[in-house]
This record gives sequence, C-alpha cells and structure tokens, in this order.
Amino acid sequence: EVQLVESGGALVQPGGSLRLSCAASGFTFSADWMGWVRQAPGKGLEWVATIKPDGSNEYYVDSVKGRFTISRDNAKSSLHLQMNGLRAGDTAVYYCARCPRGVDYWGQGTLVTVSS
Amino acid sequence: EIVLTQSPATLSLSPGERATLSCRASQSVSAYLAWYQQKPGQAPRLLIYDASNRETGIPARFSGSGSGTDFTLTISSLEPEDFAVYYCQQRSNWPWTFGQGTRVEIK
Repeated sequence: EVQLVESGGALVQPGGSLRLSCAASGFTFSADWMGWVRQAPGKGLEWVATIKPDGSNEYYVDSVKGRFTISRDNAKSSLHLQMNGLRAGDTAVYYCARCPRGVDYWGQGTLVTVSS
Repeated sequence: EIVLTQSPATLSLSPGERATLSCRASQSVSAYLAWYQQKPGQAPRLLIYDASNRETGIPARFSGSGSGTDFTLTISSLEPEDFAVYYCQQRSNWPWTFGQGTRVEIK
C-alpha cells in the first residue's frame, strides 16, 4: 500500500524557516517524480515544487523560487521542502505528492501557518 | 505560466443528472491534463489523467475528453458522493498549474 506521511508543519513568524518532510512507503520511491502541492485555507490548489526521480532537476512556482528548496533522499525514501523567508501568503496545508502522471497519491497534508 | 480557466464556477444539479465541467488552457497542453475531485477535509483524488484515461478504481460514470486547449470532464449520472469540488491540472509546461475549481452542488 502506497503511503505518504508528511511532518514538520508549524506556526512560524514571517521571515522564518521551516523544513517539511515526507516519508514514503509501498512503492519504488527512486523511480517516481515527487512534488509538493499546497492549499491555502478555503482556496484552491497550487503546485509548489517538483523533483525528478534521480534528483537531478527541480522545478518551482515563481512565488517560491529562491526561497524554497525541494530535495529527496532515495536511500531513505524521503522527500523534503526547505522553506526560508516565509510570508503570510505561504500559509497553507502542504501535501506531499507522487506525480508520475498527475498526482496519483497524496499525503494527508501538514499545516504551515505564517503569522506574528 | 499556463493559466487554466474552469467553468462554471458552480454547477447546481440533482442526483441522476449529467454534469459537464470545462477547463480551458491559455496555450496548448497537448493531452497532459488531469482532473481531480476534492471533498471537504480530504486530499484531492485523481480521476482522469492525460485528458481521457480513467485512474484505477474510478467509476465509469467519470469520463474526460479534449486536447490542446479545451477539455471536458463529464459525470454521466451524478451519485450523492459526487458532490464536491473538481480541479483540472496541466503538466505540459513548468510550472505545473491547477484551475481554480468547479464546485458541483446539490440543487
């Protein structure tokens, strides 16, 4: 059974940093594209970042470029999102996503709240 | 960035009726378009990928069509559990993007 379990969400002050993690199991993690999708309270979905199976390329939405870094550890079947320079507009539930053809598996989401 | 525009914003229908949802892309996405269903408090669920391919386990009443810039998700006969928000998403160009969603509500 495919499972994606996020952790690391918290309340953080504007300008602060946070590192999200996603523990994957039930599939060959090193073979799949992975990503992060977020959803602000009461709003729609926004694709944040994606990383190739071997970690050689990363892609970001413009609003997080230079502030967020996606990474993966294929040996540990884990995905990460390092978030720096957080803003109020980054407040959202962040979903870990397996995305070979669109997102076929989602985590349960972890809430990031940026507020003073 | 490719903008996906979904219409209508809200669709009010009764169980048993046919639902037709539209997604229009600001430039061609070929067939690299997916549809998702999201219910309150839940993660989205993949329904259709590559415009017309039904994901494993998705009922046959859900179908997708289109290519290029115009796409349609059709629910042939609405079941009570189908009332939800539906999103389209393209993976043709970076950054991947979602539409703003169509809410299908009970009339």
